[in-house]
Amino acid sequence: DAGITQSPRHKVTETGTPVTLRCHQTENHRYMYWYRQDPGHGLRLIHYSYGVKDTDKGEVSDGYSVSRSKTEDFLLTLESATSSQTSVYFCAISSGVPNQPQHFGDGTRLSIL
Amino acid sequence: SQQGEEDPQALSIQEGENATMNCSYKTSINNLQWYRQNSGRGLVHLILIRSNEREKHSGRLRVTLDTSKKSSSLLITASRAADTASYFCATDVISSGSARQLTFGSGTQLTVLP
Repeated sequence: DAGITQSPRHKVTETGTPVTLRCHQTENHRYMYWYRQDPGHGLRLIHYSYGVKDTDKGEVSDGYSVSRSKTEDFLLTLESATSSQTSVYFCAISSGVPNQPQHFGDGTRLSIL
Repeated sequence: SQQGEEDPQALSIQEGENATMNCSYKTSINNLQWYRQNSGRGLVHLILIRSNEREKHSGRLRVTLDTSKKSSSLLITASRAADTASYFCATDVISSGSARQLTFGSGTQLTVLP
């Protein structure tokens, strides 16, 4: 299995609080991605990174920010969490080589009350 | 809107039977990928088919791709209870950027009854 660790695995917090999720990889892959998964929607891309300090928005980026200060770490921050951000968040990595798959972490289940 | 849409949304079969799931998409693609997700876990890559390929096999999996119809199918033969999971198709869309982005469908929930 690809070396991807997401932390925390579960978190419950209150509306209005800041939340940071961490994705750590040991594969030295260039690309890292944050998705959210909600019933009936599959996975939707929030933000992605194509290198240290290089990030871009995905389909559902509003309310989220990201940072990548090291190749191995990609942080997702909810500056002021809302109940609509209750979801399961997945990190993925890829080498960027054409026709290669992405590899996923086991997810963080985030509940915002 | 979703680039890939799976059909059916849910499928229940007996162990030993074959399971077929379909995926339709809207724009030109580099490749199409199938992933499996067990309950409470992340997605696991199953198979990737390139836009210039029509069929690909991996063990009990067979994937077809019809770019003229913008559709793909995943066949799991001789299903087992352990195949119970959600299955997602994902399209790698031709774009001008260098980042490889996937767009996922909403998945098919497969239940294999012992």
